[in-house]
Amino acid sequence: DVKVTQSSRYLVKRTGEKVFLECVQDMDHENMFWYRQDPGLGLRLIYFSYDVKMKEKGDIPEGYSVSREKKERFSLILESASTNQTSMYLCASGPLAGGRTDTQYFGPGTRLTVL
Amino acid sequence: QQQVKQSPQSLIVQKGGISIINCAYENTAFDYFPWYQQFPGKGPALLIAIRPDVSEKKEGRFTISFNKSAKQFSLHIMDSQPGDSATYFCAASMKEGFQKLVFGTGTRLLVSP
Repeated sequence: DVKVTQSSRYLVKRTGEKVFLECVQDMDHENMFWYRQDPGLGLRLIYFSYDVKMKEKGDIPEGYSVSREKKERFSLILESASTNQTSMYLCASGPLAGGRTDTQYFGPGTRLTVL
Repeated sequence: QQQVKQSPQSLIVQKGGISIINCAYENTAFDYFPWYQQFPGKGPALLIAIRPDVSEKKEGRFTISFNKSAKQFSLHIMDSQPGDSATYFCAASMKEGFQKLVFGTGTRLLVSP
C-alpha cells in the first residue's frame, strides 16, 4: 500500500511563528504536492515538486515556501504564520507514468490552527 | 478557465437511493477526470476516473457519466449506503503543464439509514 505520512495531525501555533509541516512518501514517487483544504473552497494547490530540489508554485503560494532535499520528503514552510493560514493541509504524492501524474495519493492531513 | 465547478455543496440521500454529483469545466484541454472520496479524518482517495474518449465508466455502484460537448461530468452512486457518507471531489487535469489536478469545491454526502 502507498503510504503518505504527515508529521502532525494537529498543530497549534502563534502568529508570527515559523511553521514546518513535513511529508514523507514511501513509494518512490517523482511528484509531491501540498494543498490546503478549506470548507467551500475545496483543495487548493500551494506548491508542488517534480524532482529533488525542484519546485513549482501552485495557485496560492503566497506566505508559503517548500523544500525537497530528498525524493521521499517534501516540507511546507510558513515563514511567519498568520491567522488566515489556519486550515487543513494535505500532502500528496504521485508517480510519473506516461509522462504525467494522474493519480495522487494523499496523507491524512495536518489541521493547523494559528492563534 | 482552470476552474471545475461542482454541485451541490451538500446532499442527503436515503439508503438505497441514487446520489448524483455534477461537475462542469471550461478548459477543453482537460483530458482526465477523476473523482476523489474523503472520509472524516482521512485524506482524499481516488475513487474512479474517466478519459473523454468514453461517455461512461462504471465500477461497482459508482458510475461516471461524461458529456464532452456540454463539458460536464457527473458521479452516480447507485444503491447508496451509509458507508458512502463522505465528501466527494471531482477534478480535472491536462497533458501539459505538469498535469496539475484542478479540484472542485467538494460535495458532502450523507446517506441516511
